[in-house]
Amino acid sequence: AQTVTQSQPEMSVQEAETVTLSCTYDTSENNYYLFWYKQPPSRQMILVIRQEAYKQQNATENRFSVNFQKAAKSFSLKISDSQLGDTAMYFCAFVTNAGKSTFGDGTTLTVKP
Amino acid sequence: EAGVAQSPRYKIIEKRQSVAFWCNPISGHATLYWYQQILGQGPKLLIQFQNNGVVDDSQLPKDRFSAERLKGVDSTLKIQPAKLEDSAVYLCASSLVQGDTEAFFGQGTRLTVV
Repeated sequence: AQTVTQSQPEMSVQEAETVTLSCTYDTSENNYYLFWYKQPPSRQMILVIRQEAYKQQNATENRFSVNFQKAAKSFSLKISDSQLGDTAMYFCAFVTNAGKSTFGDGTTLTVKP
Repeated sequence: EAGVAQSPRYKIIEKRQSVAFWCNPISGHATLYWYQQILGQGPKLLIQFQNNGVVDDSQLPKDRFSAERLKGVDSTLKIQPAKLEDSAVYLCASSLVQGDTEAFFGQGTRLTVV
């Protein structure tokens, strides 16, 4: 069974600054996929970024990037130039080849003006 | 394209009553998921369908929960009888295929059992 741990229940950052959200996971599988999802208050969950475990290069999507350390089973999310609209709950998710997903308990991020 | 549709948005029932949730995935998406999200926690996968077949229902409390996806399109999740600890948001998601593709989520149904 897979487990996903997000050790920071809450974080805050000043607008325009950079913040890093941490995620660690435990699995015996070699091929899998990792995702970061964003859930704004009272709104639906949307994908932020994804990483295939077989790729060594870290994924990047505009202001969002990951630091994927496969040996350490770590998958952190860096948000650069934070914006007020980034305020949300962020979930790290582990997905097997068969599509079985395990989510962490989330980090609530508040971007302060 | 239209997103994942769920109804109702909110439901309040008394314990021991039954309730049903409906989900219409994005057109063409073969994989459909039902998650339970308890306040303060991440979504927990209850059941995963590939077309109209069940791929994984290992975390579905089968004594009270049931789900079906007739014709491989929309799906219903039922709870009978409900318990207080079933109070949660029930999320439906769909993806084109299983595994590495993005899951698109609906807005969820917030269930309160009193």
